[in-house]
Amino acid sequence: EVVMTQSPATLSVSPGERATLSCGASQSVRNNLAWYQQKPGQAPRLLIYGASTRATGVPARFSGSGSGTDFTLTISSLQSEDFAVYHCQQYDNWWTFGQGTKVEIK
Amino acid sequence: QITLKESGPTLVKPTQTLTATCTFSGFSLSTSGVGVGWIRQPPGKALEFLALIFWNGEKRYSPSLRSGLTITKDTSKNQVVLTMTNMDPEDTATYYCAHMQGCTSMVICYYDYLGQGTPVTVSS
Repeated sequence: EVVMTQSPATLSVSPGERATLSCGASQSVRNNLAWYQQKPGQAPRLLIYGASTRATGVPARFSGSGSGTDFTLTISSLQSEDFAVYHCQQYDNWWTFGQGTKVEIK
Repeated sequence: QITLKESGPTLVKPTQTLTATCTFSGFSLSTSGVGVGWIRQPPGKALEFLALIFWNGEKRYSPSLRSGLTITKDTSKNQVVLTMTNMDPEDTATYYCAHMQGCTSMVICYYDYLGQGTPVTVSS
């Protein structure tokens, strides 16, 4: 099983600041990596697929990068609606998720 | 607009069987490349893939949980049903159903829409 590891577990950021979230895979998943945003009581929302392609309707302040085993989600200027939990998921070899990173208001 | 909604019991006793239903709209599970799967999230833990069924009836089950899991579809009702036998307190989680499309190869596919989830507690 491909193990996905996200860091940090919690990220405290002020509105308007940049947030950088990391996701690592225990083996190469090529670029078959997705990011999801989850707010309390809501369905997880697809943000990024193919490591760097934004899903329909996702603002340009969200960007993904990386390939192989190391991936990054960057939120260039945090808005109030961006405070949430972010999950990475690999779909190269079955489907496994990271533990999530909570982005909270500093 | 694609929507998925999970339903089922909120409380299940140990050793009982969980039957959870995903009712969806905005797509057909008879369309080539479409799949609907189940994912769960135990409290404080990561999301976990459980099972997936494709438009053509092909099924995929979590290798670590294959035993006791069954996924079926009723295309006419726009529903996918997950059955888990011999439930244990460790199966306490929120259960989500999820949609994927463009998956004609049935590999290298990602979920693009998920439901809000249904919480299930396993306790006597």
